[in-house]
Amino acid sequence: EVQLVESGGGLVQPGGSLRLSCAASGFTFSSYEMNWVRQAPGKGLEWVSYISSSGSTIYYADSVKGRFTISRDNAKNSLYLQMNSLRAEDTAVYYCARDRYMVRGVIDYWGQGTLVTVSS
Amino acid sequence: DIQMTQSPSSLSASVGDRVTITCRASQGISNSLAWYQQKPGKAPKLLLYAASRLESGVPSRFSGSGSGTDYTLTISSLQPEDFATYYCQQYYSTPRLTFGGGTKVEIK
Repeated sequence: EVQLVESGGGLVQPGGSLRLSCAASGFTFSSYEMNWVRQAPGKGLEWVSYISSSGSTIYYADSVKGRFTISRDNAKNSLYLQMNSLRAEDTAVYYCARDRYMVRGVIDYWGQGTLVTVSS
Repeated sequence: DIQMTQSPSSLSASVGDRVTITCRASQGISNSLAWYQQKPGKAPKLLLYAASRLESGVPSRFSGSGSGTDYTLTISSLQPEDFATYYCQQYYSTPRLTFGGGTKVEIK
């Protein structure tokens, strides 16, 4: 069974940092492209970042570029999101999300999400 | 960036009704469109991709159609478990994905 389990969310002050982790199981993690997608409270979905299966190709949404860093450790079946210089508008549930195999951009599995709250 | 506009933003319907949700892209996306269902407090669930391909395990009452910039999701006979929020998403400009604003389907 495919499982994606996020952790690392919490309350942080504006300007602070947080590192999210996503533990993957039930599939060959190293073969899949991964994403982070977020959802502000009561709002819609926003794509945040993408990383290729090898980690060699990375993209960010303009809203987080220069502040967030995506990475992965295929040996540990884990995906990460380092978030720096956090702003109130970064408050959201962050989902770890797997691209469907051979259909890049279609997300076939999502984690349960981890809530990040940026507030003083 | 490709903008995705969904309509309506919400609707009320009864069990057994036929429901149609539309999604318009700001430019042609060549059927690179997915639909997701999200229930409160849960992660989204993939329903269809490539505009009309049903994901494995998804009931056949869900269907999708469209081309160019205009796409629709249809639920042929609304069931109690279908009350949720639905999102379209383009992946034409993958990996830069964009989602529609969502359509909340409520019980009449």
